[in-house]
Amino acid sequence: QVHLQESGPGLVKSSETLSLTCTVSGDSVGRHYWAWIRLTAGKGLEWIGRVFVAGSPDYNPSLKSRVAMSMDTSKNQIFLRLTSVTAADTATYFCVKDGTYGSGTFGSWGQGTLVTVSS
Amino acid sequence: DIVLTQAPATLSVSPGERATLSCTANQTLGTYLAWYQHKPGQAPRLLIYDASNRAPGIPARFSGSGFGTDFTLTISSVEPEDFALYYCQQRANWPPYTFGRGSKLEI
Repeated sequence: QVHLQESGPGLVKSSETLSLTCTVSGDSVGRHYWAWIRLTAGKGLEWIGRVFVAGSPDYNPSLKSRVAMSMDTSKNQIFLRLTSVTAADTATYFCVKDGTYGSGTFGSWGQGTLVTVSS
Repeated sequence: DIVLTQAPATLSVSPGERATLSCTANQTLGTYLAWYQHKPGQAPRLLIYDASNRAPGIPARFSGSGFGTDFTLTISSVEPEDFALYYCQQRANWPPYTFGRGSKLEI
């Protein structure tokens, strides 16, 4: 059974870069798409984007100018970078396995990590 | 972006009662709609995919129906552990995949 664990700073200063890591166990990151989804008070659940071992990641157009996703297959990890953060980026960030039952179905989620953007 | 509207925002029921949650899309989705359960502090859980297919391990009291723009999640007899937030999500038209704002099931 796949297990996803998000990690990273819980506090980021406004205008700086948010960086998170997702460590996957029980599955190989190189075999599937992996997504980041966040839960905010203002917008609810928001799909940030997805990454695969080949090709370019797909991003939410609303965040595309600020987001980057990548993976390290040797460490079985997924990464998220979000630049120029504001208070609106305060959220719980989830690492998610995409495509369990077709692309865009999210069958496995991490517990999430809360990131607060401070001024 | 496709907008999903969930109703009601909060549904109050007693254990053993039937609960019906609605999700309406502003564009047709075919059957490309999923339902998730989320309890604060826990990982969200996929309940239903493609409108009516239960994910493995999901109890039979959970069922999904609908096509096009109108979808329903039904819990036939609510158990105490079912009190949570429920979200619908579409994969018919992306990017981005989008979610509804959620319905809270409470006692």
